Amino acid sequence: TQLLEQSPQFLSIQEGENLTVYCNSSSVFSSLQWYRQEPGEGPVLLVTVVTGGEVKKLKRLTFQFGDARKDSSLHITAAQPGDTGLYLCAGADTGGFKTIFGAGTRLFVKA
Amino acid sequence: DVKVTQSSRYLVKRTGEKVFLECVQDMDHENMFWYRQDPGLGLRLIYFSYDVKMKEKGDIPEGYSVSREKKERFSLILESASTNQTSMYLCASSWGPLSPGEQFFGPGTRLTVL
Repeated sequence: TQLLEQSPQFLSIQEGENLTVYCNSSSVFSSLQWYRQEPGEGPVLLVTVVTGGEVKKLKRLTFQFGDARKDSSLHITAAQPGDTGLYLCAGADTGGFKTIFGAGTRLFVKA
Repeated sequence: DVKVTQSSRYLVKRTGEKVFLECVQDMDHENMFWYRQDPGLGLRLIYFSYDVKMKEKGDIPEGYSVSREKKERFSLILESASTNQTSMYLCASSWGPLSPGEQFFGPGTRLTVL
């Protein structure tokens, strides 16, 4: 059974701090997505990484796909209260039919 | 922008009732999905469909059925609702066979079964 483990499960930090969220698996994925979900809403796609070792930046968010395409990280620089939410990683096979979601990291950024 | 809409944001039903959850996407996506989301368990796939009238079981199909009569619409049916089906239900869609896996989600339906 494929599993995606996210860590930490919960993170509470002060505004301005940096943080990293990890997503690990023993399986190889053809692509990996990161989503952010706010309370009472559906997940919103942040980024897709496809190539091993790929790094993508989205303003203060940096996403990295592991060389072996089994793991990924999300780094947030100078976190802001607006970054608060549930961050989900998802690993997909070709065609995207079989997508495995991690349980999520709940981030709370205090002003 | 891709838009995925779900028929209800909140729904309260009684045990044994038949429940219909509707999902519509406006981007001509071939794939559509139904998930449920429970605290600590993440998103679990119930059913997905890769074409009209086609459906495949996901990881937890028991107690559910689906219907896809039109490309843009994917319905989830709870034949006889039970309390353990109280959950957040999320519909999603994605492009097609060459999709890299990106899914676009609706806002969710929070279903409570009493």
